[in-house]
Amino acid sequence: GQQLNQSPQSMFIQEGEDVSMNCTSSSIFNTWLWYKQDPGEGPVLLIALYKAGELTSNGRLTAQFGITRKDSFLNISASIPSDVGIYFCAVLKLRRANNLFFGTGTRLTVIP
Amino acid sequence: DAGITQSPRHKVTETGTPVTLRCHQTENHRYMYWYRQDPGHGLRLIHYSYGVKDTDKGEVSDGYSVSRSKTEDFLLTLESATSSQTSVYFCAISDRGADQPQHFGDGTRLSIL
Repeated sequence: GQQLNQSPQSMFIQEGEDVSMNCTSSSIFNTWLWYKQDPGEGPVLLIALYKAGELTSNGRLTAQFGITRKDSFLNISASIPSDVGIYFCAVLKLRRANNLFFGTGTRLTVIP
Repeated sequence: DAGITQSPRHKVTETGTPVTLRCHQTENHRYMYWYRQDPGHGLRLIHYSYGVKDTDKGEVSDGYSVSRSKTEDFLLTLESATSSQTSVYFCAISDRGADQPQHFGDGTRLSIL
């Protein structure tokens, strides 16, 4: 079946370090998104990518849509304690009703 | 917040009982979705709606039904709950138009004993 492989599954980093995570697929997708989920809450959209090769920033976050349209990465610079959470990649699977398919997430822990 | 309210936020019930979860939006968005979230599986789509009375199945729809009689409300029903349906359920909404992102509610934690 369809899979989005996120790596790593979990990360433990020191406050102030940079973080990099990625998401790969065996299929081509034309829209990639990154969400963050805080404990006890729903996922929140961080960055949406619509064009292959596109590099987009949102504050300390930078995401790129791979040129092959089969992968994306998310970087967080100078991590802070509130960066803790689960980061999900998602792809637009069906344009009808904007249906998304999610990866299994990367759990980030920031050690103060 | 994206104007999405899920109710109840927590529920404990017994196997075999019917359960209905409600998602209410104030954004007048066309599309609504129900997901379940389980460890190791991320978010999996149960059902979605593309308009009033228009719904379709997602990847894990067995054992669930949905209804949308008004733009603002999307109900998820477990006709006869089973322990495998213990999960955290999220509602999401998306506006009409291509590539519109989904915005999520805060979830309902459902435990079936």
